[in-house]
Amino acid sequence: DGGITQSPKYLFRKEGQNVTLSCEQNLNHDAMYWYRQDPGQGLRLIYYSQIVNDFQKGDIAEGYSVSREKKESFPLTVTSAQKNPTAFYLCASSFTPTATRNEKLFFGSGTQLSVL
Amino acid sequence: AQSVTQPDIHITVSEGASLELRCNYSYGATPYLFWYVQSPGQGLQLLLKYFSGDTLVQGIKGFEAEFKRSQSSFNLRKPSVHWSDAAEYFCAVGASGTYKYIFGTGTRLKVLA
Repeated sequence: DGGITQSPKYLFRKEGQNVTLSCEQNLNHDAMYWYRQDPGQGLRLIYYSQIVNDFQKGDIAEGYSVSREKKESFPLTVTSAQKNPTAFYLCASSFTPTATRNEKLFFGSGTQLSVL
Repeated sequence: AQSVTQPDIHITVSEGASLELRCNYSYGATPYLFWYVQSPGQGLQLLLKYFSGDTLVQGIKGFEAEFKRSQSSFNLRKPSVHWSDAAEYFCAVGASGTYKYIFGTGTRLKVLA
C-alpha cells in the first residue's frame, strides 16, 4: 500500500543534541512538507520541498534543517538551536506543490519529540 | 492575510446526536477548503474538500460540509454521531496556486455513550 512512513514514533532529545526525524513516501509525490503541531495551535509549516534538491523555509524554520536528496525521502533535523523542540511532528506530501482543485495533503502518523 | 478560525476548542455530544463544527476563513479569492480528522497520536486524514460548484460537499464517514461565501464559513456536520467519531477535527484552506495550506487550531470532539 502506498503511504507515508515516519520514524521513530517517539524520540527523546538531550540538551545540545541534534536529532533527525525520518519521512519516507512511496506515493511518487513531488511535494513534501514538515509541520509542527503543538496543543491548541494547529499545524505550523516548518519546511517544504517542491522537488528533489530544492526546499524552502516555512513559517517556523529557525532551529530546523532538511534535505531532499531523493524524491521519496525528506528528513528533518531538529538542531540544538531549537530551544523548545517538544512537539508532535507531521510529515505530509502532495502530488504537486501547489494547491489545486485536485490536490490534497497526505499525512504520516507523526513523531512525538520530547526533551530529556 | 489568510486565516482559519475554529471558534470551538472542545465540543461534547451524546452518541446519536447531531454535530456541527464551525470554521470561518479569511481569504481574498475563492479558497480551496478542507476538513481533516486526527485520532490521538496519529496523522491527519482528509474527510472532505471543496473547490467550486455545489456548496454542499459530501465526505467520508457520513460527514458533510456547507460552503457559505457570504458568511466565509465552511461548517462540518454529521446527522448522527458515533462513538468512533471522537477525535480532533481541523479545518484548512489552500491558497490557490501556492504551496500554502493554513490550518485552524482544531476542535476536539468528545462523544458520550
